[in-house]
Order: sequence, then C-alpha cells, then structure tokens
Amino acid sequence: AQKVTQAQTEISVVEKEDVTLDCVYETRDTTYYLFWYKQPPSGELVFLIRRNSFDEQNEISGRYSWNFQKSTSSFNFTITASQVVDSAVYFCALSSGTGNQFYFGTGTSLTVIP
Amino acid sequence: KAGVTQTPRYLIKTRGQQVTLSCSPISGHRSVSWYQQTPGQGLQFLFEYFSETQRNKGNFPGRFSGRQFSNSRSEMNVSTLELGDSALYLCASSPGAPYNEQFFGPGTRLTVL
Repeated sequence: AQKVTQAQTEISVVEKEDVTLDCVYETRDTTYYLFWYKQPPSGELVFLIRRNSFDEQNEISGRYSWNFQKSTSSFNFTITASQVVDSAVYFCALSSGTGNQFYFGTGTSLTVIP
Repeated sequence: KAGVTQTPRYLIKTRGQQVTLSCSPISGHRSVSWYQQTPGQGLQFLFEYFSETQRNKGNFPGRFSGRQFSNSRSEMNVSTLELGDSALYLCASSPGAPYNEQFFGPGTRLTVL
C-alpha cells in the first residue's frame, strides 16, 4: 500500500527563520516519484518539485531545498530565511504504479509571522 | 500556455440532487485526474482519464463518475448528493506518461445543503 505521512499539522515561524517540513512515505514499488506542492489561501495547488526513486541527490532552488533519503523513506523540504509569502499549506505526494494516481499526505500548514 | 480551468468555481446544491463539474486541461495534456479535498480526509484521488478512457479509479462510491472528451476536457458527475460530498473538487492535468507532475486547477467548491 502507498502512504504519505506529514506528521506536522501546523508550524509557525518568525520571518527569516529556517523551517523544515517532514515527509515520510511508504511504498513497495522500486520505481516511484515524490512531489511537493504548495497550496496558498487561494486554493490552487502549485507544483514545487518532483524527485524519482533513483535520484537521491539533494536539490536546491533559491530558498528552497529538498533532502531525499531512501534509507529512512523521507523527503523533507526546507525553506531558508522564510518570508510571509511562504505561508501556505504544503503537501507531499507519492506516485507509483501505473497511471497518474497521487497519494497525498495530510499537509502541513505553515504560518510565517512578520 | 493557459492553465487548467474549472467551472463553475462555486456551487450550492441540496441533498439528493446531482451535479456536473467541468475541467479543461492544459493544451496538449491528455491526462486529467480528479481529487476531492475535505478538512477531514485531505486530498483523495477520485479517478484519472487518459485518451477518453478511465485509467485509474480511487475508492469512491459509484455515485461519482466521470468522462473525458476527445479534446481532453473532462467532466465529473456526482449523483444523489449527500452532505458529506461538500468539498473542494480539484482537477489536475498532465501530459499522460506516468509520474509526470500534475498541474492543478483552482477547484470547484461544492456545498451540499
């Protein structure tokens, strides 16, 4: 069975602090992809990153970075020097098997306080 | 490119009625997936259509159905609405190959009274 767990329901940080959002996944497939999406108050999910199961290189994009560790089945997301505009709900998702079915975690609501 | 569009954006229905939601994917995308988002259950996969055929189906009752047209536009239908069907319904499009990132529309907020 496929499952994504985001244990952090809500996080609040003060602007300019670093914050890490945790994501733990379960799958028996050897080929799978992991994703992070951002859902601002407007409601539309915005794609942030895709990572396949064979690529454990960390990735950095501006203030965003992702740490993928197969040994712990984790795909964590760090925002450096957080800004108010980062306030949103962040979802981690898993795609495996045929088709395009995504398994989403329950999301982490991030509030950045000015 | 224009993004994913969904109509209507808001809908209010009463129990027992039926409803049809529409989704236009990004031009060139052949896969359309539907998700239900509620505060209690989070984001749950309903079904995916690819080239007018249902390719994947989530664990929802038969009251939830969909279809896809030759231009890749998709519709989702819910019959005999229940209060628990109140949710944000999100449509996502992708080129079609497995594991592609999906691009989401703004959603349709359905309220069942």
